[in-house]
Amino acid sequence: DSGVTQTPKHLITATGQRVTLRCSPRSGDLSVYWYQQSLDQGLQFLIQYYNGEERAKGNILERFSAQQFPDLHSELNLSSLELGDSALYFCASTAGLWDGYTFGSGTRLTVV
Amino acid sequence: QKEVEQDPGPLSVPEGAIVSLNCTYSNSAFQYFMWYRQYSRKGPELLMYTYSSGNKEDGRFTAQVDKSSKYISLFIRDSQPSDSATYLCAMSASGGGADGLTFGKGTHLIIQP
Repeated sequence: DSGVTQTPKHLITATGQRVTLRCSPRSGDLSVYWYQQSLDQGLQFLIQYYNGEERAKGNILERFSAQQFPDLHSELNLSSLELGDSALYFCASTAGLWDGYTFGSGTRLTVV
Repeated sequence: QKEVEQDPGPLSVPEGAIVSLNCTYSNSAFQYFMWYRQYSRKGPELLMYTYSSGNKEDGRFTAQVDKSSKYISLFIRDSQPSDSATYLCAMSASGGGADGLTFGKGTHLIIQP
């Protein structure tokens, strides 16, 4: 167990729908990162939050949004889902200093 | 040209062999270099990280960075079947990965018993 908890582990939904993925970072970690992993694109950085504030954006679609709550858990919201959004979504956390990311086990999203 | 290139493999070697995994990159701003190991259906796990050029050793693992050639390597000595996994290189221009990490697509490594 890495200490980063992601729920749900699996999600199957239809095109056009909206889903919310949840991440609880490792205890004490203030930064949360979201990544998408697909077979053709590999791991792609989506967005970073630090202590409740958005810090950096990567290749995140406008249909996607995220937030980090006062208890430091984070949610990634995916809307108007398309078949191409099917992927593994990972959350990672760090303490703020460079000690490397700790990744969760991911949420496997399947859009049908 | 992608920012980070990594041979997807699979790379199959016998147990006990020395394994060499490599990545090339194009962005000269990258200063922080990492290697992650990912088992099937699991999240990536940090193995090694280095700053700028040079070597770093940790047990059976050695990471090398050659910024002049934009080339990084991970060597695994005395490889074990448990080392079978996908190995991802990752890079960042800023400390703390504050601008996110840029990953290679990963090399699938198979260690044959």
